[in-house]
Amino acid sequence: QSALTQPRSVSGSPGQSVTISCTGTSSDVGGYNYVSWYQQHPGKAPKLMIYDVSKRPSGVPDRFSGSKSGNTASLTISGLQAEDEADYYCCSYAGSNNIYVFGTGTKVTVL
Amino acid sequence: EVQLLESGGGLVQPGGSLRLSCAASGFTFSTYTMSWVRQAAGEGLEWVSTISAGGAGTYYADSVKGRFTISRDNSKNTLYLQINSLRAEDTAVYYCAKGEEMTTVITPFDYWGQGTLLTVSS
Repeated sequence: QSALTQPRSVSGSPGQSVTISCTGTSSDVGGYNYVSWYQQHPGKAPKLMIYDVSKRPSGVPDRFSGSKSGNTASLTISGLQAEDEADYYCCSYAGSNNIYVFGTGTKVTVL
Repeated sequence: EVQLLESGGGLVQPGGSLRLSCAASGFTFSTYTMSWVRQAAGEGLEWVSTISAGGAGTYYADSVKGRFTISRDNSKNTLYLQINSLRAEDTAVYYCAKGEEMTTVITPFDYWGQGTLLTVSS
């Protein structure tokens, strides 16, 4: 099972919006509505930000939103804030054998 | 408050074995799917293994299948990962993660521990 493809880095100024893509195949992202997104600050454990493509856990700001089209999922951060600077990983259910696959990760920089 | 505390990491020689543990508290451990995810230094997250709430269902990444065994003791609220035939490429921080759903292994990871570092080197 190959890792899902994410851009290595994206950047934006405070207040702007950035979108991170996560490209897989019909066997993972395209085949199921079970894509989640995780935020990881340096030296910290990952934090769930989005699940089931577009659902937000309690406590996650509504600046974070998720979507999917075909084999590509996306995470959009609107109204970018300094504390959003972190690494972001997508994750998809991939079927009954290797059940999860993570993305390659994207570093978000707030300029 | 949900807490997950991993332990058991350390320096191990190639070919050796180790058991990682994850002590859980703050939720009804026996009703949730649990998983292990690892991260090599400077690298991305890699799903390793998942176990269903009752322990009957276990799932592994191809990279660890046949060498790693996930298990749980619901009476002790503890998750385990037995790692055999260790290789240098197993060097990573190992996180345990709680599933958000109770009734299925298809679930996002809603709480994570702080991780335990395993280093495989001679």
